Amino acid sequence: DAGITQSPRHKVTETGTPVTLRCHQTENHRYMYWYRQDPGHGLRLIHYSYGVKDTDKGEVSDGYSVSRSKTEDFLLTLESATSSQTSVYFCAISGSGTGGPSSYEQYFGPGTRLTVT
Amino acid sequence: QKEVEQDPGPLSVPEGAIVSLNCTYSNSAFQYFMWYRQYSRKGPELLMYTYSSGNKEDGRFTAQVDKSSKYISLFIRDSQPSDSATYLCAMSVGYSSASKIIFGSGTRLSIRP
Repeated sequence: DAGITQSPRHKVTETGTPVTLRCHQTENHRYMYWYRQDPGHGLRLIHYSYGVKDTDKGEVSDGYSVSRSKTEDFLLTLESATSSQTSVYFCAISGSGTGGPSSYEQYFGPGTRLTVT
Repeated sequence: QKEVEQDPGPLSVPEGAIVSLNCTYSNSAFQYFMWYRQYSRKGPELLMYTYSSGNKEDGRFTAQVDKSSKYISLFIRDSQPSDSATYLCAMSVGYSSASKIIFGSGTRLSIRP
């Protein structure tokens, strides 16, 4: 998994509660991404980061916030979870700084299954 | 209308068959085309990428892009049970870590021994 871990791997939470998912990398990649994967929709980008404290919105950012205080950690927070946020969340990393295909390729973590009841 | 359309399957073929997986897209600005393979309960992994139109071969896998038809394909020759997975096409306008990748919804493939 290219040195990417996600925690927790599974979580069940109630509507209205805050939830934080963590992505940790050991590869010193500059870019980190959060996606959600839902049947019929494929992977959709939530937020991404291009450096410490540098983040930007993706396609489906409403209801989510992110933070990156260290190169190796990228946190995704659902401020008030809703049932529509039940999904599998994947973190990805990219950008080794060497240029060429290897720097562009996104490596994905194992995913977090989140259920909001 | 989605930017990238992919038949979800499932597609079931016998071992040894040639498999054809396809995607269509609407954004003519896409120039980089990728295929990801995702095993059950795992993250996607990049299988192949191509730039613009043409073919690219890697072992039993061939990726084909037809920009005039906005159509991309992945062919798997001599399919094996270990090829059973979901295959996602993906594409982007630029080629950098900052370029947003748009994914298809994936086709679930099953190879019968």
